[in-house]
Amino acid sequence: QVQLVQSGAEVKKPGASVKVSCKASGYTFTSYYINWVRQAPGQGLEWMGWISAYNGKTKYVQKFQGRVTMTTDTATRTAYMELRSLESDDTAVYYCARVKEIAKEGWFDPWGQGTLVTVSS
Amino acid sequence: QSALTQPRSVSGSPGQSVTISCTGTSSDVGGYNSVSWYQQHPAKAPKLMIYDVSKRPSGVPDRFSGSKSGNTASLTISGLQAEDEADYYCCSYAGTYTVVFGGGTKLTVL
Repeated sequence: QVQLVQSGAEVKKPGASVKVSCKASGYTFTSYYINWVRQAPGQGLEWMGWISAYNGKTKYVQKFQGRVTMTTDTATRTAYMELRSLESDDTAVYYCARVKEIAKEGWFDPWGQGTLVTVSS
Repeated sequence: QSALTQPRSVSGSPGQSVTISCTGTSSDVGGYNSVSWYQQHPAKAPKLMIYDVSKRPSGVPDRFSGSKSGNTASLTISGLQAEDEADYYCCSYAGTYTVVFGGGTKLTVL
């Protein structure tokens, strides 16, 4: 079955970087986009951006520009999201989610199980 | 872009129907037929319930239905069941290959 499995929880100090992985299985990896969505404790869903697993093209939400990098490794069917210069406000569960085509078939299905990133001194 | 507007909470008794609204603008909800809805139970990942305004993925009960009028999309859950108690989020395409989520609605089954 189609599945996205994410890496485990991380604890980071302010100013550090974190890299979360998302391993895909059960479908043709390069035919879809991987999106990243985060959820701060007790808050709603916040879309961060996407990466095309076909050609590596990316689109980032402006607030994360310069601080986030999304990449893929087609050999291992894995997507990565790196967030730098972490602040306490970045404490959140980070989800990856598959999308066929953001403008036409732009629904998120499935989602990874989530990765808790805690930023604390 | 600003988050779509959803009521913070709704409630209903078992067997009743509830509707959750999701209000945006002509630049997102009103401009495209690309609205989706997600159900999220505590400490779980979101799950797709509705896509393209009113389509249901296989496996989602037909008690869940979606619609749209102007800049407002709606999710209706009929025949409420205890397991429907969860947070619900709407999401819309917002142009230039971006999407925006609603703030989320907590559904309580009384």
